[in-house]
Amino acid sequence: AQSVAQPEDQVNVAEGNPLTVKCTYSVSGNPYLFWYVQYPNRGLQFLLKYITGDNLVKGSYGFEAEFNKSQTSFHLKKPSALVSDSALYFCAVRFLDTGRRALTFGSGTRLQVQP
Amino acid sequence: DTGVSQDPRHKITKRGQNVTFRCDPISEHNRLYWYRQTLGQGPEFLTYFQNEAQLEKSRLLSDRFSAERPKGSFSTLEIQRTEQGDSAMYLCASSPQGGGMITGELFFGEGSRLTVL
Repeated sequence: AQSVAQPEDQVNVAEGNPLTVKCTYSVSGNPYLFWYVQYPNRGLQFLLKYITGDNLVKGSYGFEAEFNKSQTSFHLKKPSALVSDSALYFCAVRFLDTGRRALTFGSGTRLQVQP
Repeated sequence: DTGVSQDPRHKITKRGQNVTFRCDPISEHNRLYWYRQTLGQGPEFLTYFQNEAQLEKSRLLSDRFSAERPKGSFSTLEIQRTEQGDSAMYLCASSPQGGGMITGELFFGEGSRLTVL
């Protein structure tokens, strides 16, 4: 079955340290991959996407993500975490070969950056 | 603020009552989406409009749910005979022509939280 997974419910990191939020997917073809962030009492905000091309994509607020086809992963990264990065992060996938237009979201990972 | 707006932000109702949520998308966006998010879960797709046409519906959208976008601008999501399992955050998003489901950049509202007692 086609799916997207975020294996960690929560990630804790100290301010200034690099952070990684993991996302893996299961699909028979090539997906479109996205990351969104949700701050408390705010709507989801688009961070970045992978459609095609370079495996490393850069997005908003200094975040980047690496598409790894062999490992079917699209992990979100940032070289130096800020306390203000603390939020809920969602990986989302569009499975192109299903004909569906909707994005499928992972269950989310709460990032906690300690000062 | 010219973002996506949703109304009401919070709704508490008794089981069996009907509720209606409204979404006003960004004015130049012709695509509109409804999602549902429960605590600890990611958003789940409900339905999608391009202009006034409802082009896709999830199996989550039971017979008690109906969505409309009569003039291709604002949209309403109605839940009839609410059940406690309907308690969730209902999210609306919009995107411009050529965007959204293709490029992935959806612009979300802050959501309407429904509590069914």
